[in-house]
Amino acid sequence: DGGITQSPKYLFRKEGQNVTLSCEQNLNHDAMYWYRQDPGQGLRLIYYSQIVNDFQKGDIAEGYSVSREKKESFPLTVTSAQKNPTAFYLCASSIGLGQGRLNQPQHFGDGTRLSIL
Amino acid sequence: AQKITQTQPGMFVQEKEAVTLDCTYDTSDQSYGLFWYKQPSSGEMIFLIYQGSYDEQNATEGRYSLNFQKARKSANLVISASQLGDSAMYFCAMREGLYGGATNKLIFGTGTLLAVQP
Repeated sequence: DGGITQSPKYLFRKEGQNVTLSCEQNLNHDAMYWYRQDPGQGLRLIYYSQIVNDFQKGDIAEGYSVSREKKESFPLTVTSAQKNPTAFYLCASSIGLGQGRLNQPQHFGDGTRLSIL
Repeated sequence: AQKITQTQPGMFVQEKEAVTLDCTYDTSDQSYGLFWYKQPSSGEMIFLIYQGSYDEQNATEGRYSLNFQKARKSANLVISASQLGDSAMYFCAMREGLYGGATNKLIFGTGTLLAVQP
C-alpha cells in the first residue's frame, strides 16, 4: 500500500537533547512537508521541500532542521534551541509543481507526539 | 496575507441529520484552491473534498459537499446524513496562488470539532 510512514508514534525529549522524527513516503511524490499542531490550533508549516536536495523554511522554522537527501525521506530534527517542542508533528507529501492537476491534495502520515521529559 | 477562518470551535449534530461547517478565507489571488480535511482522534489527516476558485459547480464527494460562495469568500462544508464515525476535527485549508509563483503550501484554519450524537 502506498502511503506515508512516520516514526516513532511517541517521542520524549530531555533538556538539551536533539531528537529526529522520521518521515518516509512511497507515493513517488516530489514535495514533502512538516507541520506542527498544538492543542486547539491548526497546522503550522515548519519546513517544506519541493525536490530532492532542496528545502525552504515555513512559518515556524526556528529550532528545527531538515534534510532531503532522498526522494522518499524527509527527516525533521527538533534541536535544543526549540524551547517549546511539545506538540503533534505531521509529515505530508504531494505531487510537485507542474506535475499534475492543481487539485491534488497533500497526503499525511499518522503523526508523532513529542513531549518533554 | 492569506488567511483561513473557522469560527465554530465545536458543533453538535444528531445522527442522520445534515450539518454545515463554516469556513471563510482571505486572499488577494484570483486563482486558489480550497481543501477540507478530517482529523479523527487518532490524529491522521484525511482529505475530504476540493474546490478550485474557477470551478463553476460546487464540489461534491459522496456525503460531503461544498457550499462555495466566491463573492463572500466562503467555502462551507456540508455533511449530509451524519454518522457516528463523522465525529472528528475538521480543517479548512487554502493553497496559495495557483499560478505565477505558485507553491504547494497549504494554510490551515483552527478547525471545528464535530460531535455526532446518537
